[in-house]
Amino acid sequence: RKEVEQDPGPFNVPEGATVAFNCTYSNSASQSFFWYRQDCRKEPKLLMSVYSSGNEDGRFTAQLNRASQYISLLIRDSKLSDSATYLCVVNKGRGGADGLTFGKGTHLIIQP
Amino acid sequence: DTEVTQTPKHLVMGMTNKKSLKCEQHMGHRAMYWYKQKAKKPPELMFVYSYEKLSINESVPSRFSPECPNSSLLNLHLHALQPEDSALYLCASSQDRGLAAYNEQFFGPGTRLTVL
Repeated sequence: RKEVEQDPGPFNVPEGATVAFNCTYSNSASQSFFWYRQDCRKEPKLLMSVYSSGNEDGRFTAQLNRASQYISLLIRDSKLSDSATYLCVVNKGRGGADGLTFGKGTHLIIQP
Repeated sequence: DTEVTQTPKHLVMGMTNKKSLKCEQHMGHRAMYWYKQKAKKPPELMFVYSYEKLSINESVPSRFSPECPNSSLLNLHLHALQPEDSALYLCASSQDRGLAAYNEQFFGPGTRLTVL
């Protein structure tokens, strides 16, 4: 089983639509969870951390299910500028500053 | 300010060259990281420095040699690289708040390395 699994897409979505991504992770020792976005030939940028209680940041909502080792991201009222690759990311579970494991990413294309 | 800077932006080197990549952050972070990203793949962790000490080496070949001169700077020294080492090298930094904390990592723009 891959450490972090995501549907690579691409997801082609009309502007204004709602889109949802999911990922699963295999390392039960992981304790912190994130979504990053990466534009073509750019660095990953932190979109949001994902907490057990679920959290929202504007149009973005993230959920975490530790029992199922499942993370989700919901984007509402999608904008053209949301087109990017969305990376599901977990820490390696070794404690402290221990590095991140990235999924391969889900490619999102917002169409006008 | 969540900025991590990296130099150079691009680097082309031969297999016998010695070069260095540099990374700097001024966010007061005490952990710094090197990642390698090949085309169409996710970043992969190489090294972690915590409080200026090397804490994690992900079995990286010795032709890559990291150095942390102080809490703001991180270098990656390169020697006798192979063409398959061509990749985007990303530096990141974070707080180091201990075991169960969320130590959000912020990435620099990367150095795009080509080994001929």
